[in-house]
Amino acid sequence: GESVGLHLPTLSVQEGDNSIINCAYSNSASDYFIWYKQESGKGPQFIIDIRSNMDKRQGQRVTVLLNKTVKHLSLQIAATQPGDSAVYFCAENYNAGNMLTFGGGTRLMVKP
Amino acid sequence: EPEVTQTPSHQVTQMGQEVILRCVPISNHLYFYWYRQILGQKVEFLVSFYNNEISEKSEIFDDQFSVERPDGSNFTLKIRSTKLEDSAMYFCASSENRGEKLFFGSGTQLSVL
Repeated sequence: GESVGLHLPTLSVQEGDNSIINCAYSNSASDYFIWYKQESGKGPQFIIDIRSNMDKRQGQRVTVLLNKTVKHLSLQIAATQPGDSAVYFCAENYNAGNMLTFGGGTRLMVKP
Repeated sequence: EPEVTQTPSHQVTQMGQEVILRCVPISNHLYFYWYRQILGQKVEFLVSFYNNEISEKSEIFDDQFSVERPDGSNFTLKIRSTKLEDSAMYFCASSENRGEKLFFGSGTQLSVL
């Protein structure tokens, strides 16, 4: 079946640098995408979402980019801080369905 | 800020026993969900609930699972006869719109011995 997947299981960055976390999706019908941050022992925390009619969406220190041609989603975190250390998941939905399909997660480690 | 709350945070049970996991969704949300995450694996969809009925369920959500909204605030997941492979973190979530911008609780870690 089609699924969402991540290229890099672990990303290590220096504090203050920008981080880019990538996600590939295979369902061309997906029309809604969302990024979650999960800290140890906590539930997924909403970061930002984007619909397929957009290529880019910005939040506070975060930007999500969507490339539908290559079915690729990325999360950019500006000026990464130690508090950004967590596992980041992308998830997809299509046709306003009930179910989010999650990717495997990328662990972001921020070095002081 | 409103949040989804889950109790208990940890539940240990013997195989074959029934467990009930409890959740209080965000008050103005209409859509409720249960997901689970086995250690080191992806977050997996179990079931969605809207207007007092199940709107969608996954293959994982077999006859041993049930959900209920017993009153205006609580949303529960019952596992009737737990199996070892049911050990996981169970997350409740809610949203204003179907399948979008889900807010998750902190989870219940279920350990089946």
